[in-house]
Amino acid sequence: GAVVSQHPSWVICKSGTSVKIECRSLDFQATTMFWYRQFPKQSLMLMATSNEGSKATYEQGVEKDKFLINHASLTLSTLTVTSAHPEDSSFYICSANEDTGELFFGEGSRLTVL
Amino acid sequence: GENVEQHPSTLSVQEGDSAVIKCTYSDSASNYFPWYKQELGKRPQLIIDIRSNVGEKKDQRIAVTLNKTAKHFSLHITETQPEDSAVYFCAANNQAGTALIFGKGTTLSVSS
Repeated sequence: GAVVSQHPSWVICKSGTSVKIECRSLDFQATTMFWYRQFPKQSLMLMATSNEGSKATYEQGVEKDKFLINHASLTLSTLTVTSAHPEDSSFYICSANEDTGELFFGEGSRLTVL
Repeated sequence: GENVEQHPSTLSVQEGDSAVIKCTYSDSASNYFPWYKQELGKRPQLIIDIRSNVGEKKDQRIAVTLNKTAKHFSLHITETQPEDSAVYFCAANNQAGTALIFGKGTTLSVSS
């Protein structure tokens, strides 16, 4: 199946710093990628839809100025958590649709904010 | 927007028994319903999916049924094994037809 790679797989940062997470589609082009957040023992919550060459579409309740999304190419989307705080600690997962419509997930990035 | 409800939240079965997880969705325009298995700390893995033009799909011990009229779909696992223990999520595509909205998950425990 198609491969979506995410980096870093885990990151620890101090409160107030910014963290960038990369999501790459390795063997297909993705005009659209999706960013999800998963808190412990909870479901995946859609944060935003990342569109190549245009602004991301954010879900209700997600602060666009805090979670900056850039989809600069057909194979790369980045999520930057700005001024991170402990409550932002979570598992962030990206995904992309392949031609068949199936959604493929990245490995996930576990963010811990101290 | 789309809302997906999933039941039960936890399910414990004996090895060899069947397990059934049920989901309902709210948006009649949704036409794609995948099921994912997620092991602790790992990404969700697609185990089976169904589109709105069929009512049932089976892959070995796993089957999914869809009732469009009632807007619910179910996952059936037969002859469960301990390695089936994981969290299972149902999902439905959103109004735009691209992103998936997930249910809250079911923790399945299969004891031997």
